[in-house]
Amino acid sequence: GENVEQHPSTLSVQEGDSAVIKCTYSDSASNYFPWYKQELGKRPQLIIDIRSNVGEKKDQRIAVTLNKTAKHFSLHITETQPEDSAVYFCAASLFMYSGGGADGLTFGKGTHLIIQP
Amino acid sequence: GAGVSQSPRYKVAKRGQDVALRCDPISGHVSLFWYQQALGQGPEFLTYFQNEAQLDKSGLPSDRFFAERPEGSVSTLKIQRTQQEDSAVYLCASSFLPGTGRHEQYFGPGTRLTVT
Repeated sequence: GENVEQHPSTLSVQEGDSAVIKCTYSDSASNYFPWYKQELGKRPQLIIDIRSNVGEKKDQRIAVTLNKTAKHFSLHITETQPEDSAVYFCAASLFMYSGGGADGLTFGKGTHLIIQP
Repeated sequence: GAGVSQSPRYKVAKRGQDVALRCDPISGHVSLFWYQQALGQGPEFLTYFQNEAQLDKSGLPSDRFFAERPEGSVSTLKIQRTQQEDSAVYLCASSFLPGTGRHEQYFGPGTRLTVT
């Protein structure tokens, strides 16, 4: 089955600086890679996702890059703000676009992002 | 519109009791997933439904865990004879509105199960 490794487990950055979280996956068949933000006691919230036919996707201060050959994808947050402090999870799955079926998401262990004021 | 809802939000069970956890997905979503999240860990996949069909139950940890979605909407996760290692947050997610091409998984708030 799929295995997702996520690094670092904790990341502390100064407000206004950039943060990068990296993940690797094992199953070359995986084609969908979402990122979730989870605040303490709250539900995971989807912040950005990328499909395997795209190398990069950006949404305001957040971007994700995907290297299919290396089976590696990363989350980039620029101009970090205090409200970015949370645990971030990467995930991977296989989605069958024709029929709409999907495997469950395999998550990394999470990165606790701390924004220092 | 309304998001994914789950009930109860908190459940305390004595070891050996049976529990039932409910998930109301986003209206019209075809796919429904259950995950287990232990403290300080990422969610782990339990089972997946497409409409009323349970297509994957490979993540269920034992035969004490059972899930159903009889009418293709609301789902129930049942745990029989609960044990302390079952203590976790159980998350439900739904996805895939046919015709939209959208397949993002949206999570409910979870049910925190504590087995004493």
